[in-house]
Amino acid sequence: GNSVTQMEGPVTLSEEAFLTINCTYTATGYPSLFWYVQYPGEGLQLLLKATKADDKGSNKGFEATYRKETTSFHLEKGSVQVSDSAVYFCALSPFTGANSKLTFGKGITLSVRP
Amino acid sequence: EAQVTQNPRYLITVTGKKLTVTCSQNMNHEYMSWYRQDPGLGLRQIYYSMNVEVTDKGDVPEGYKVSRKEKRNFPLILESPSPNQTSLYFCASSLSRTIGTQYFGPGTRLTVL
Repeated sequence: GNSVTQMEGPVTLSEEAFLTINCTYTATGYPSLFWYVQYPGEGLQLLLKATKADDKGSNKGFEATYRKETTSFHLEKGSVQVSDSAVYFCALSPFTGANSKLTFGKGITLSVRP
Repeated sequence: EAQVTQNPRYLITVTGKKLTVTCSQNMNHEYMSWYRQDPGLGLRQIYYSMNVEVTDKGDVPEGYKVSRKEKRNFPLILESPSPNQTSLYFCASSLSRTIGTQYFGPGTRLTVL
């Protein structure tokens, strides 16, 4: 079956530090890949996505590239801000099939210090 | 404003007392889904619906029921809640089953005593 593995957390960084959150996946076929973010007390919001190999998703300074050869979709940001403090989930969705179910990683909590 | 709404946001109940969590979307989405979020487990799908009157089980359907009588609404029903259903619940919707971008509601925190 499909699965998503995220690096263990939590992660604490100082403001303006570089961020990398690792994500690898196992899936049949060609899934779409997503990063969702959950701010404290809120639901999940789509941060970025990529639908095919070598696609780069980007939003709010965050980037992730769909690497089929390494089955990875690592999230990066060059300079984090305090407002980026949240829980980040990597997820995949099958390209076809009866169910658009998102398979999520366990999530990682990011805290950014001023 | 395009959104997914859930009610209630917080609920404390007792074992065996039937409850319903409502979910509504105003985006005319075909696909809707329920997830539960538990520490260390991420989000897991409970049930999904591809369209009106079409529902099916996700990964963890035991103890839950759903219905889809109207396109915009997808209530989650716990006929006889138990403490292991204490969790944070999210409703989500997307335009269709083949478009993976899902929009999430704000969540319902349920405690079953």
